[in-house]
Amino acid sequence: EVQLVESGGGLGRPGGSLRLSCAASGFVFSRYTMNWVRQAPGKGLELVASVSSGSSSIYYTESVKGRFTISRDNSNNSLYLQMDSLGAEDTAVYFCARNGVVGATQAFFFDSWGQGTLVTVSS
Amino acid sequence: EIVVTQSPATLSVSPGDRATLSCRASQSLSNNLAWYQQRPGQPPRLLIYSASTRAIGVPARFSGSGSGTDFTLTITSLQSEDFAIYYCQQYNHWLTFGGGTKVEIK
Repeated sequence: EVQLVESGGGLGRPGGSLRLSCAASGFVFSRYTMNWVRQAPGKGLELVASVSSGSSSIYYTESVKGRFTISRDNSNNSLYLQMDSLGAEDTAVYFCARNGVVGATQAFFFDSWGQGTLVTVSS
Repeated sequence: EIVVTQSPATLSVSPGDRATLSCRASQSLSNNLAWYQQRPGQPPRLLIYSASTRAIGVPARFSGSGSGTDFTLTITSLQSEDFAIYYCQQYNHWLTFGGGTKVEIK
């Protein structure tokens, strides 16, 4: 069974930092593009960052470029999101999500999600 | 950026009835569209991908249709656990999510 378990959320100060982690199990982590998707309170879904299986390809949504860093450790089946220069607009539940597969090809829909970790940015 | 618009924003349906949700894109997506269900306090759950393929474990009462710019998610005989928010997401041109449709009890 695929499991994704996020941790590291909590209260962050404006201008401060937090580091999120996602522990993966039940599949060959090193083969999949992995993603962080966030959901602000009462709002919709937004892809924050994405990293390819070998970390050669990385994407960030515009609003987090230069502030957030996505990384992964395939030897430890883990995904990370380093969040710096936090702002109130970063308050959200952050989900770790795995790319889906169509046939033998990965595609950018998300077939597995963690339960999420809440990040609240407030002074 | 492709804009994905879901309608209606809220759909009031009686248990046992059919729900029809719409998703419209600003450009053709071919069939690169997914649907998710999100219950309160839960992560999204993939229901449909490639516009009409049910994900593993999804009941047959959920069906997706459409191609190009117009897509539909149909839920036949709504069960209590189906009252939730539904999102569509295109992945033909990078990816964007729709704003969601809330299916509530009438």
